[in-house]
Amino acid sequence: DTGVSQDPRHKITKRGQNVTFRCDPISEHNRLYWYRQTLGQGPEFLTYFQNEAQLEKSRLLSDRFSAERPKGSFSTLEIQRTEQGDSAMYLCASSPHRDRANTEAFFGQGTRLTVV
Amino acid sequence: AQSVTQPDIHITVSEGASLELRCNYSYGATPYLFWYVQSPGQGLQLLLKYFSGDTLVQGIKGFEAEFKRSQSSFNLRKPSVHWSDAAEYFCAVGNNAGNMLTFGGGTRLMVKP
Repeated sequence: DTGVSQDPRHKITKRGQNVTFRCDPISEHNRLYWYRQTLGQGPEFLTYFQNEAQLEKSRLLSDRFSAERPKGSFSTLEIQRTEQGDSAMYLCASSPHRDRANTEAFFGQGTRLTVV
Repeated sequence: AQSVTQPDIHITVSEGASLELRCNYSYGATPYLFWYVQSPGQGLQLLLKYFSGDTLVQGIKGFEAEFKRSQSSFNLRKPSVHWSDAAEYFCAVGNNAGNMLTFGGGTRLMVKP
């Protein structure tokens, strides 16, 4: 297993279009996270799944954003009616669900979205 | 609410010099603390983590960090910096449920030859 994989690596879209990103976590990890990172900032938590259940959503995740994780494997993040403010790096991470003190997140390389 | 502050946005050091990157956190309970490194255009790689026990933790690439509860700090150190260490470094605190990280704003490290 080569780690967390994200596709595409880069996406340029016109304002108002819909985009979808995919994340494939490390195979034995049942927790999956999405973060957003804008230029010059640290990543900000968006949402997290345990298996197929979406258990936590940040206030940053507006109604235009939706994430799914069917069958508890890969995940998709869709942004509808994109706005220029959505331009950012979208990072996916996964972790195994051991005890709470030992869940470290492994990050993918991210999808960089540019809305023009 | 948990938060992380990295006071230094940019740091430049000479190759071979020692390094210390500062991190201050705010969290009501025992913190779970992490340092990640991000090279340009790349994702985040975990350098080290603190959950409990010895307050001086060793990580990869020769990095170490010291947890000081009294100062709410978790500073990252390296005795001798290599040119390949130039990157952005993020400190993060994890919540007790282990399902969310809160990151600082990052410190960009530049290494002079």
